[in-house]
Amino acid sequence: DAGVIQSPRHEVTEMGQEVTLRCKPISGHNSLFWYRQTMMRGLELLIYFNNNVPIDDSGMPEDRFSAKMPNASFSTLKIQPSEPRDSAVYFCASSLPLAGDEQYFGPGTRLTVT
Amino acid sequence: GNSVTQMEGPVTLSEEAFLTINCTYTATGYPSLFWYVQYPGEGLQLLLKATKADDKGSNKGFEATYRKETTSFHLEKGSVQVSDSAVYFCALNSGNTGKLIFGQGTTLQVKP
Repeated sequence: DAGVIQSPRHEVTEMGQEVTLRCKPISGHNSLFWYRQTMMRGLELLIYFNNNVPIDDSGMPEDRFSAKMPNASFSTLKIQPSEPRDSAVYFCASSLPLAGDEQYFGPGTRLTVT
Repeated sequence: GNSVTQMEGPVTLSEEAFLTINCTYTATGYPSLFWYVQYPGEGLQLLLKATKADDKGSNKGFEATYRKETTSFHLEKGSVQVSDSAVYFCALNSGNTGKLIFGQGTTLQVKP
């Protein structure tokens, strides 16, 4: 298996632009998680899906952030409009929804908003 | 609510030294416990896990024992290498959605 796939790996954009991050989970996994990691705030869970349905989006910082999972093999995290404080590494992870199952993380997307 | 507390870093050790990174947790029920490792520029990857009390997880020379009586899951390694330099995260999973609660991470730096 190729593992969790994220694209792009690096994104540099200007403030005010729309940014879309993409994730392909591991085949057969039906839980998907989006995280944000910064030096100041550490690792934060933004939103997670179970069977393509958003279960908890309480970590989404504000209305500029949105996430979708149209099918079991694809998810997007969109920021519109982007701001410099959104600069971070965004990770996607997937898992089977059992208590003993670990999450598998993608390599991350490093976002820089200038 | 559920939470995980790790010892503050950074931890700096010489090669071949003994490593302990403390982790304690607060949870209802019987969570599964995990240690993840993040090497520079990479995503997190599972290092080891334990799913019930008194279980010992082990991998790559690292060990951690699930201690319910002390609500702890301390990470240990007998002889660290420079290649072990990374950030280590303790985590728990107490539900059936796969959601993990992470500690704040502990940076380990091993010097030759």
